[in-house]
Formats: sequence, C-alpha cells, structure tokens
Amino acid sequence: EPEVTQTPSHQVTQMGQEVILRCVPISNHLYFYWYRQILGQKVEFLVSFYNNEISEKSEIFDDQFSVERPDGSNFTLKIRSTKLEDSAMYFCASRALVGMNTGELFFGEGSRLTVL
Amino acid sequence: AQKVTQAQTEISVVEKEDVTLDCVYETRDTTYYLFWYKQPPSGELVFLIRRNSFDEQNEISGRYSWNFQKSTSSFNFTITASQVVDSAVYFCALSERWDNDMRFGAGTRLTVKP
Repeated sequence: EPEVTQTPSHQVTQMGQEVILRCVPISNHLYFYWYRQILGQKVEFLVSFYNNEISEKSEIFDDQFSVERPDGSNFTLKIRSTKLEDSAMYFCASRALVGMNTGELFFGEGSRLTVL
Repeated sequence: AQKVTQAQTEISVVEKEDVTLDCVYETRDTTYYLFWYKQPPSGELVFLIRRNSFDEQNEISGRYSWNFQKSTSSFNFTITASQVVDSAVYFCALSERWDNDMRFGAGTRLTVKP
C-alpha cells in the first residue's frame, strides 16, 4: 500500500540552526501539507501546497518557515533559524485530487524535532 | 474559519464497555467534510472515516460507528465493546469546501483498561 514517508524520524539541533525535514508524498497525490504537534497537544496546520505553490498557510507559518518541492518527488519543510518552541513532531501529509477538497489526508509517521 | 471542539480531554473505560467520543464543529460553509483520525501510542495518524456535509447517513464499521447530526453540528464516534488496542488519542477534523486545509480538534485521549 502506498504511503507517505518522512525523514529523519528524529532530529536534534541547536537553537538558531537551520533544519530541513523531508517528505515523499504518495506518488499520484497532488496536494501536500505540513502539520505539527507539540508534545501532548493538538495537531496544528502549518501549510498546504498545490501546483508548486503555497495554497494556504497558518499564522504559525511565519518567515522562518519555507516549503519546497525541489524534484517532483520530495516535499521539504525548512526552518531557517530554529527556536526552542519549534520542538515538536512534524507531520507531512498528501491528498489525491478527489473532487474539491474531499479526500482524506494520508500522513507520514512524523519527524520529531528537538531544539536544544 | 472553521473550528472543531472535542470537549472530552480524557476518557477511561474498562474493556468491553461502549464509549462515545464527542465532536462539535463550526463552519459557515454549506459544503464541508468531517474526519476522524486515530493516533495510537506509536504516534502516527491513522485515518478512520470521512463524511460529507450532504450525507447525514450514519455509518458503522465493525465496532466503530459514527453519528453525524447537522442540526447540532456534531459528528460523534462510538466504539462498541472497547478493547485495550483502542487506547489512543482520537482527533476529529474538518475541511471546508473552499479551504485547502484540514483543521483538527484538540483530541480525546481514550484509555481502555483490561
């Protein structure tokens, strides 16, 4: 069964460092997402991406964050200068085009980011 | 913007009990989609069900059932004869027709004790 894969599964970094989280969405999916979940808290929407551009972003997704689809298979989330409060599980998700925004999101297993 | 409320933070039951997880949503859109996801202790998010706003038929899948009521803006989830493996955090989520995102409720942590 096709799945969303994420790397790394866990990354530890120093505050102020740049981090890139990588995702390979399901191959025939067209919509891509990043969500984050601070430990024990809710799953928060960060950004959605369609047709090589951001389609929606939340207030959390400030100038420190960027997304890219560099090669047609990977979908990356970059945090330019990490802060302690960026420590969280980051989930990538993808969705097939099934009518208008009707399909469920398929999530990867997450990348745990720890900022020291 | 849409909003999802899961008022129950934690629920604890004994195996074989039935349990209902509540979800109340707010949206100004007439076309929207509701979802339930399960997050077991291993951390991944597992899709359980999708429901369209124009289909109020309730659904049953094995021990799981969902009750969608537009009149009360609720989409509740019932597990019948709960098992220890049902222990997880359950999230209700909502997508509006014209918004390309999915917003989650705060989640309900279900603990099923043997």
